[in-house]
Amino acid sequence: GENVEQHPSTLSVQEGDSAVIKCTYSDSASNYFPWYKQELGKRPQLIIDIRSNVGEKKDQRIAVTLNKTAKHFSLHITETQPEDSAVYFCAASLMYSGGGADGLTFGKGTHLIIQP
Amino acid sequence: DAGITQSPRHKVTETGTPVTLRCHQTENHRYMYWYRQDPGHGLRLIHYSYGVKDTDKGEVSDGYSVSRSKTEDFLLTLESATSSQTSVYFCAISAVYTIDTFYNSPLHFGNGTRLTVT
Repeated sequence: GENVEQHPSTLSVQEGDSAVIKCTYSDSASNYFPWYKQELGKRPQLIIDIRSNVGEKKDQRIAVTLNKTAKHFSLHITETQPEDSAVYFCAASLMYSGGGADGLTFGKGTHLIIQP
Repeated sequence: DAGITQSPRHKVTETGTPVTLRCHQTENHRYMYWYRQDPGHGLRLIHYSYGVKDTDKGEVSDGYSVSRSKTEDFLLTLESATSSQTSVYFCAISAVYTIDTFYNSPLHFGNGTRLTVT
């Protein structure tokens, strides 16, 4: 089955600086890569996702890049703000062209701390 | 909150007792999932359903069973609860859309059930 590794487990950055979280996956068939943000005691919420036919996707201060050859993808957050402090999870799955999907396999999470 | 309700929100039970957690959706989405979240392990898939009465196992299915008799409800049962099943359980849903080709929508999660087995 799929295996997703996520690094680092904890990342502390100064407010206003950029943060980068990296993930690798093992199954070359995986074609869908979402990122979730989870605040303490809350549910995971999707912040951005990318499909394997795209190399990069941006949404305001957040961007995700995908390198299918190397089987890794990264989350980039620019101009970090205190509200960015949370645990971030990457995930990978295979979505079938006929409309089916295996469940997401998640990385173990990165605790992002924004220092004022 | 994507129309997902999990019940109960908190439960404390004793080792050896059966426990059922409920996930109810109002979105009419085809796919429903049960995950457990534990410190240091992230989220791990227990079981999922791709339609009424259609279910499949995930990564950590031992000791769990599921049922889906209606589109809107997905039940997770711990047949005989153990302390290792103390966890936060999340339900998630996903739709299947057709734009040029079929594809699945992103997963949206419920607010979770915190289960403690003593």
